[in-house]
Amino acid sequence: GEDVEQSLFLSVREGDSSVINCTYTDSSSTYLYWYKQEPGAGLQLLTYIFSNMDMKQDQRLTVLLNKKDKHLSLRIADTQTGDSAIYFCAEEEGGKLIFGQGTELSVKP
Amino acid sequence: GAVVSQHPSWVICKSGTSVKIECRSLDFQATTMFWYRQFPKQSLMLMATSNEGSKATYEQGVEKDKFLINHASLTLSTLTVTSAHPEDSSFYICSAMLGWTDSVPNTQYFGPGTRLTVL
Repeated sequence: GEDVEQSLFLSVREGDSSVINCTYTDSSSTYLYWYKQEPGAGLQLLTYIFSNMDMKQDQRLTVLLNKKDKHLSLRIADTQTGDSAIYFCAEEEGGKLIFGQGTELSVKP
Repeated sequence: GAVVSQHPSWVICKSGTSVKIECRSLDFQATTMFWYRQFPKQSLMLMATSNEGSKATYEQGVEKDKFLINHASLTLSTLTVTSAHPEDSSFYICSAMLGWTDSVPNTQYFGPGTRLTVL
């Protein structure tokens, strides 16, 4: 079955780059997504990548996709304290989203 | 654009009562909405897929008689937790799917969530 895995925690200093990693199992996923969740709130779509792309950049965000290894990463450049949140990667399966456990990013001043 | 609201944002109820949660797409029409449940420090668990004008499709292990879903219009889906018990206490999040526009994929946009506490 589908399974999406992420490391649970990441701590960085303000101004550094953050890299959040994700592995997935369903090679037929057409799109892969990154969502951000702040405490007590819903999920905010950050970015997505089409499965035939290797990289996508959107301002401070860079998504890398290694389809062979089924590995997805999200790089946040110049991380700010406002980036502190839980980040979920998700793969799409038949219109449904399968989420990872979420990575809690802590940004220290 | 693509804003989804939920109401109420939080609710406390007594055991045995029913609670209705509304999910609205404010600036787009959504033929498909989804209901998720999230426990503290955990991922989102898909409960059901709600299609406008038809019965919801429930995920395995989700009791359809306990979690009633109605998708009466293209902008509104409701989740009713019937005869709620303390173990139903959770964070319930809905999402609405925005169909293909300008090569953007079918993307889910999420509501802010509803915190349900059953005493």
